[in-house]
Amino acid sequence: GEDVEQSLFLSVREGDSSVINCTYTDSSSTYLYWYKQEPGAGLQLLTYIFSNMDMKQDQRLTVLLNKKDKHLSLRIADTQTGDSAIYFCAEGSGYSSASKIIFGSGTRLSIRP
Amino acid sequence: GAVVSQHPSRVICKSGTSVKIECRSLDFQATTMFWYRQFPKQSLMLMATSNEGSKATYEQGVEKDKFLINHASLTLSTLTVTSAHPEDSSFYICSATLSTNPWDTDTQYFGPGTRLTVL
Repeated sequence: GEDVEQSLFLSVREGDSSVINCTYTDSSSTYLYWYKQEPGAGLQLLTYIFSNMDMKQDQRLTVLLNKKDKHLSLRIADTQTGDSAIYFCAEGSGYSSASKIIFGSGTRLSIRP
Repeated sequence: GAVVSQHPSRVICKSGTSVKIECRSLDFQATTMFWYRQFPKQSLMLMATSNEGSKATYEQGVEKDKFLINHASLTLSTLTVTSAHPEDSSFYICSATLSTNPWDTDTQYFGPGTRLTVL
């Protein structure tokens, strides 16, 4: 079945770059997503990448996709205290937003001064 | 942007009672809504997919008689946890999608979640 895995914790110093990694198993994944969840809140879509792309950059965020290895990463440049949250990697195998999304376990990003 | 609300945000109930959680799309019509549950420090697990006017599609292992989903209109879906027990305590999150455009991947909007505690 489909599975999405990511490490549970990441601690970085303020101002450094954060890199959150994710692996997935479904080779038919069409879209791969990164969501952010702050304490007690719902999910916020940060960015997504289509499966035929290798990289996508959006301001401080860079997504890299290695489709051969089924590896996805999210790089946050100049990490700030406001970036503290849980980051979920997710994959969708459909072609529309009405398709099912499978989430990873989430990586808790903490920022140290 | 599109906004999805949930009500209530928190609910505490006694074991054996039923609880209804509402999910509303405030400024758009949602063709499909999804219900997830999230246990502490764990990921979101999809419970069911709900299309307006039709029966919900439940994921494997989710009891449809326990978690009743009604998607009566394009702006409202409800999840009723029947005969709730302490193990049903969780964070329930809905999402809604508006687009019929198959390439609109960023149009699944999430609600803020409802924290259910069953005593």
